[in-house]
Amino acid sequence: AQKVTQAQTEISVVEKEDVTLDCVYETRDTTYYLFWYKQPPSGELVFLIRRNSFDEQNEISGRYSWNFQKSTSSFNFTITASQVVDSAVYFCALGPPSTGGFKTIFGAGTRLFVKA
Amino acid sequence: SQTIHQWPATLVQPVGSPLSLECTVEGTSNPNLYWYRQAAGRGLQLLFYSVGIGQISSEVPQNLSASRPQDRQFILSSKKLLLSDSGFYLCAWSPRRTEAFFGQGTRLTVV
Repeated sequence: AQKVTQAQTEISVVEKEDVTLDCVYETRDTTYYLFWYKQPPSGELVFLIRRNSFDEQNEISGRYSWNFQKSTSSFNFTITASQVVDSAVYFCALGPPSTGGFKTIFGAGTRLFVKA
Repeated sequence: SQTIHQWPATLVQPVGSPLSLECTVEGTSNPNLYWYRQAAGRGLQLLFYSVGIGQISSEVPQNLSASRPQDRQFILSSKKLLLSDSGFYLCAWSPRRTEAFFGQGTRLTVV
């Protein structure tokens, strides 16, 4: 069965602090995609990153970085020097199985509050 | 570039009334289309997806239905709304079985 667990329901930090959002997934597939999405207060989900299971290199994009560790089935997201605009709900997601289907499994989300 | 439009942004409907939410995608052909519902501002539940005109797959049996009359148009409907249908509905598209791009959502309140 496929499953995504975001154990942190809410995180509150002060501006300029670094924060890591955890994501652990379960899948029987050997080939899969992982994603992170951001949902600001406006409600629209914004795609942040896609990671192929073959590529375990960490990725950095500005203040955002992602750490993918296949051995621990984790795909964690770190925001460096957080800003108030980072306040949002962040979702980790597991792409459809390579065996077929179109269902992306989303975690329950982590609500991040960044205080000025 | 591709864009997705979803409307209306907010909707208040009485119990038992019909529902029609529309979503259109521009700038791409033959996209995969999805309807999600988000209750209580948290997790996403996939309701329907479509890989082509007239092809609809339902993930959760419920009071809702979906249709895809045109390649880039996806409609979510109900004949009679229930209180439990309240929620935040999101349309999304994807070019293949990878990341999805979401519309701005419709906040539906059934009263």
